Amino acid sequence: QVQLVESGGGVVQPGGSLRVSCAASGFTFSNYAMHWVRQAPGKGLEWVALISYDGSNKYYADSVKGRFTISRDNSKNTLYLQMNSLRAEDTAVYYCARPKDAAIDYWGQGTLVTVSS
Amino acid sequence: QSALTQPASVSGSPGQSITISCSGSSSDVGTYNYVSWYQQHPGKAPKLMIYDVSNRPSGVSNRFSGSKSGNTASLTISGLQAEDEADYYCSSYTSSSTYVFGTGTKVTVL
Repeated sequence: QVQLVESGGGVVQPGGSLRVSCAASGFTFSNYAMHWVRQAPGKGLEWVALISYDGSNKYYADSVKGRFTISRDNSKNTLYLQMNSLRAEDTAVYYCARPKDAAIDYWGQGTLVTVSS
Repeated sequence: QSALTQPASVSGSPGQSITISCSGSSSDVGTYNYVSWYQQHPGKAPKLMIYDVSNRPSGVSNRFSGSKSGNTASLTISGLQAEDEADYYCSSYTSSSTYVFGTGTKVTVL
């Protein structure tokens, strides 16, 4: 069965950096593009980034462009999100997600990132 | 990349039908048939309910249906049940090769 397990969340100071990871299993990871989606506490979903199956194409929301970098290691079946210059408004649960064409059919359980001094 | 506009809340009695709207623009909903809908219960990850405007994934009740007209997509839940009480989000592919979610709608079963 498809499993997506995020890790690496925690508390970080404003201006700091953090890398979250997503370990994928139960499907051929290297055949799929992958998303990061976030949800601030008590707020709605926000799409963050997308990476193509081979890592050659990357797309970002305007709110994170230039600060966040999505990457993947297909040999390790792992997706990453490197977050730099973090702001209070980046506080959220970060989900990794597998696409079904232009939708998302599998989501991880999420990892909480808190930006606070 | 403005969020798609949804009503903050919609309610209905058991057995009734409700419709949630999702308003976008010609850069997203109006141009692409790539609108999807998600159900999210408190503390849980979202669940895909509708993809490509009107397609239901395997296992999703046929009480859920989707449609689109111009820049507005809609999700209809017929025969409303207590278990349908949740937050619902629409999403669309955009002309920037990115994705955008709706503002979210809380469905209450009276």
